[in-house]
Amino acid sequence: AQSVTQLDSQVPVFEEAPVELRCNYSSSVSVYLFWYVQYPNQGLQLLLKYLSGSTLVKGINGFEAEFNKSQTSFHLRKPSVHISDTAEYFCAARLNTGNQFYFGTGTSLTVIP
Amino acid sequence: NAGVTQTPKFQVLKTGQSMTLQCAQDMNHEYMSWYRQDPGMGLRLIHYSVGAGITDQGEVPNGYNVSRSTTEDFPLRLLSAAPSQTSVYFCASALGVYYGYTFGSGTRLTVV
Repeated sequence: AQSVTQLDSQVPVFEEAPVELRCNYSSSVSVYLFWYVQYPNQGLQLLLKYLSGSTLVKGINGFEAEFNKSQTSFHLRKPSVHISDTAEYFCAARLNTGNQFYFGTGTSLTVIP
Repeated sequence: NAGVTQTPKFQVLKTGQSMTLQCAQDMNHEYMSWYRQDPGMGLRLIHYSVGAGITDQGEVPNGYNVSRSTTEDFPLRLLSAAPSQTSVYFCASALGVYYGYTFGSGTRLTVV
């Protein structure tokens, strides 16, 4: 069965420090991978996506993610975080043969001044 | 463009009541889905649709019905509300399988 695992439920980090939010997926077929951000009391917004091609994907707000097929990972990174990055981040995967999105349980990023 | 519009934003129901959560999008998206979000569980797919007249079940479909009579609308019906259905519900739409979803702002439902 398809699943998405976010290894860290909470990540505190100081302002201007780098951050990595981890995501692993389990699938025997090719997947499309996404990262979303959810600010308090809002819906989810798409940060970036990987469909094929270059394994390093750049998104909005200075975030990037690297697809690693051998490790079945799609970790999200930002070299220097801001207070405004405090939010919940969700990794999601979609099989290239199906119509369902599978979401991870989310990682709460807190940026400390 | 309004994007994905969900109504109502908040709702309190008594156990056993029924209601419909409305979802409309004006982007001519074929794909639409309903998710529920519960603490520590991420988003779980309830039902989804790949076009008008086509719907399918997701991970947690029990107690919910959907229909897709038009491309724009995808209402979610709670047949007989239960406290376990207390959650935040999100509707989302996408242009196609290569695109990420656009999410509505959510409906916070409490069943007492």
